[in-house]
Amino acid sequence: DAKTTQPNSMESNEEEPVHLPCNHSTISGTDYIHWYRQLPSQGPEYVIHGLTSNVNNRMASLAIAEDRKSSTLILHRATLRDAAVYYCILRDPRENTDKLIFGTGTRLQVFP
Amino acid sequence: DTAVSQTPKYLVTQMGNDKSIKCEQNLGHDTMYWYKQDSKKFLKIMFSYNNKELIINETVPNRFSPKSPDKAHLNLHINSLELGDSAVYFCASSLWGGVHEQYFGPGTRLTVT
Repeated sequence: DAKTTQPNSMESNEEEPVHLPCNHSTISGTDYIHWYRQLPSQGPEYVIHGLTSNVNNRMASLAIAEDRKSSTLILHRATLRDAAVYYCILRDPRENTDKLIFGTGTRLQVFP
Repeated sequence: DTAVSQTPKYLVTQMGNDKSIKCEQNLGHDTMYWYKQDSKKFLKIMFSYNNKELIINETVPNRFSPKSPDKAHLNLHINSLELGDSAVYFCASSLWGGVHEQYFGPGTRLTVT
């Protein structure tokens, strides 16, 4: 399984944009980039995923480098509720397991 | 409506006991999972079932036995509980295949004393 590298922690102020980086230099051509987050005392929740093109949804945007060796999750206006651990995960849909392999993630702190 | 629910939310028991955790999803998914989050917050897949068939068993001790009576339920039975089993256990569900997102339950915090 291709691995990802994320900073252990990041900080942001409320209502400011947050850019959460993820490096995945060994990504294969068929790996999708998924982001999940885990709010305190809750189960993980899906945020966004993409393959090559940048993606937007109501929660966030995903910017994928042209060589796909890195990506950035963008929260356009951080709120206190966005304080969580964010996980960048690679998944190859050809693998018939559908399991998620979680790393250590980035702990995002948001200050009022 | 709760999408993925687990019972109980908290479970405190003594070493050597046998306990079960139940999981139910009302999303119409055909695949369900158990994950374990240890004291260092590391999340790891334990099992997955697709249409009641075991797909993944990540070298989990035989004391752990998942049971899927139907597509909407995946229970986890643990025999002879050990101190190291203390963790938060998360159930999840998804559609099978492709890049479908997984939906997680709220977790069951198991404490073995």
